[in-house]
Amino acid sequence: SQQGEEDPQALSIQEGENATMNCSYKTSINNLQWYRQNSGRGLVHLILIRSNEREKHSGRLRVTLDTSKKSSSLLITASRAADTASYFCATDETGGFKTIFGAGTRLFVKA
Amino acid sequence: GAVVSQHPSRVICKSGTSVKIECRSLDFQATTMFWYRQFPKQSLMLMATSNEGSKATYEQGVEKDKFLINHASLTLSTLTVTSAHPEDSSFYICSAYKADGEKLFFGSGTQLSVL
Repeated sequence: SQQGEEDPQALSIQEGENATMNCSYKTSINNLQWYRQNSGRGLVHLILIRSNEREKHSGRLRVTLDTSKKSSSLLITASRAADTASYFCATDETGGFKTIFGAGTRLFVKA
Repeated sequence: GAVVSQHPSRVICKSGTSVKIECRSLDFQATTMFWYRQFPKQSLMLMATSNEGSKATYEQGVEKDKFLINHASLTLSTLTVTSAHPEDSSFYICSAYKADGEKLFFGSGTQLSVL
């Protein structure tokens, strides 16, 4: 399979709570990215973390990367109903030119 | 940010007809674009890499005669689903790298429904 794994597949939380999504991948990578997709729409880039970085922040988003475990996590703090969407991790393989997407996590934030 | 325009956003067609989907980079040149297919509640599956001025590179299992890709200019790639059948019904999304090529910019997708 060209896809990585993400967990959980679906996550339902209350507004104000934090949401954590995890992603694992299979190959050596140049960077890892997180994207958001609202239902029936294209993807929006959220954050990119390079293979030599371990943690990155952007607003309410915090991404970690552990290349030894080939895994990453996305933390959304103080979630809002508007954060309801599907979230995908994507990796650019070392030496390659393709972006491979994980299976995605569907997040539902209840108001 | 960079803008990628995809058209049409939704198309319904009869079985056996061909459907063309356009993907344009509006404010940057894209020598390479990508076409993905997405089934409901699933991830994006890369179908092919579209290269300006040369043949597209298809992923394993994707029929190149079924899904024709033409990258005629630095700002336009088209995907034609030939002789569409109900099993081709899906959400198709294009994307492109800009400049440093570190992140993808996506079109808004095309929902294809084949009756």
